[in-house]
Amino acid sequence: NAGVTQTPKFRILKIGQSMTLQCAQDMNHNYMYWYRQDPGMGLKLIYYSVGAGITDKGEVPNGYNVSRSTTEDFPLRLELAAPSQTSVYFCASSWVAGGLFEQYFGPGTRLTVT
Amino acid sequence: GQQVMQIPQYQHVQEGEDFTTYCNSSTTLSNIQWYKQRPGGHPVFLIQLVKSGEVKKQKRLTFQFGEAKKNSSLHITATQTTDVGTYFCAGPKEAAGNKLTFGGGTRVLVKP
Repeated sequence: NAGVTQTPKFRILKIGQSMTLQCAQDMNHNYMYWYRQDPGMGLKLIYYSVGAGITDKGEVPNGYNVSRSTTEDFPLRLELAAPSQTSVYFCASSWVAGGLFEQYFGPGTRLTVT
Repeated sequence: GQQVMQIPQYQHVQEGEDFTTYCNSSTTLSNIQWYKQRPGGHPVFLIQLVKSGEVKKQKRLTFQFGEAKKNSSLHITATQTTDVGTYFCAGPKEAAGNKLTFGGGTRVLVKP
């Protein structure tokens, strides 16, 4: 199993550009999440999904959009990039059932907006 | 809203010494999870505690969940250079869900 994969690893965007961060998992997990981690800080939840076709906002959703058309994929769309979106973005997945809620994280995408 | 605080923010430890990091939630938690993130890496799940007063050990790491289920601690004995990284605690926003609120983390630096 590859686990959780993310592409690209690094990206530099100009202000106002758009891009999609890709995330895929091969563990058949029902829940998927997008977090951002600013330098020296903890993780903040952007969006999450409890299954294909179902998404909901986290703490910091403004400036982002998501979709979940399949169990495996959960792309994050940035529209009109701003310097405040410079961060490391982590995708994660988990199987929420039976009391154990371990989240598996991808390697991250380091995004710089200039 | 729910807040999860961790202290200390930074921990400089001499190799071989013990230390403890603490996690406090503003609300009662159904469970608490701990993750470790190595420098430049991604968070990796360490453990989940569910029961009031629960204590779990993983080799030199001891995790404890408070009686009121609002706080937790991680104690590391005989610190090694492999313990370098940031340790995060996280608790779910709702009792039955897995939308986690992460603490700010404790960054551990080990002096050889």
